[in-house]
Amino acid sequence: KAGVTQTPRYLIKTRGQQVTLSCSPISGHRSVSWYQQTPGQGLQFLFEYFSETQRNKGNFPGRFSGRQFSNSRSEMNVSTLELGDSALYLCASSMRDSTNEKLFFGSGTQLSVL
Amino acid sequence: AQKITQTQPGMFVQEKEAVTLDCTYDTSDQSYGLFWYKQPSSGEMIFLIYQGSYDEQNATEGRYSLNFQKARKSANLVISASQLGDSAMYFCAMRANDYKLSFGAGTTVTVRA
Repeated sequence: KAGVTQTPRYLIKTRGQQVTLSCSPISGHRSVSWYQQTPGQGLQFLFEYFSETQRNKGNFPGRFSGRQFSNSRSEMNVSTLELGDSALYLCASSMRDSTNEKLFFGSGTQLSVL
Repeated sequence: AQKITQTQPGMFVQEKEAVTLDCTYDTSDQSYGLFWYKQPSSGEMIFLIYQGSYDEQNATEGRYSLNFQKARKSANLVISASQLGDSAMYFCAMRANDYKLSFGAGTTVTVRA
């Protein structure tokens, strides 16, 4: 059974550009959440989707957005990139919308903003 | 709001010995899940073990066990028979009714031969 797949693995952008990251959850999983990891701030929650609905959003500016498709695949978009957006972006999936569910992560997308 | 505290920034452990990583949490929710993840230098976040707030028995997964003390709001990870490949960053996390995972700051474990 394939794990959580994130593409691309690495990305280099310049300030002001926009970027789209993709996440394919484990087959059968309907919940997808996104996290940003930086050396200074650690791991921070971005947003969580279940059945194409965003259920919770972290404390990030509106430049960060996401969506989930009917096949549970998710994308997140960052517009008008800033240097501080350089980070590892991790996606996690779980089967149901319950606290009693294991979450599994992908390998992440390492974004560098120059 | 949920809060996870890992007080050990880094630890050294001798190969084949056991090591305990501390984690305390704070939440007002009755239903929550506790997780431990391993993050090697490659960056991938590897699921190790899970404990539900209503689970009465401590979770175990191979060489990993979770020492769950609900009254103390403590969820320590025990790694038995450490191996060189266990060298990594370890994160404690909690998921409550807001669906998001809240992470601790992490503990770096270095296994010495």
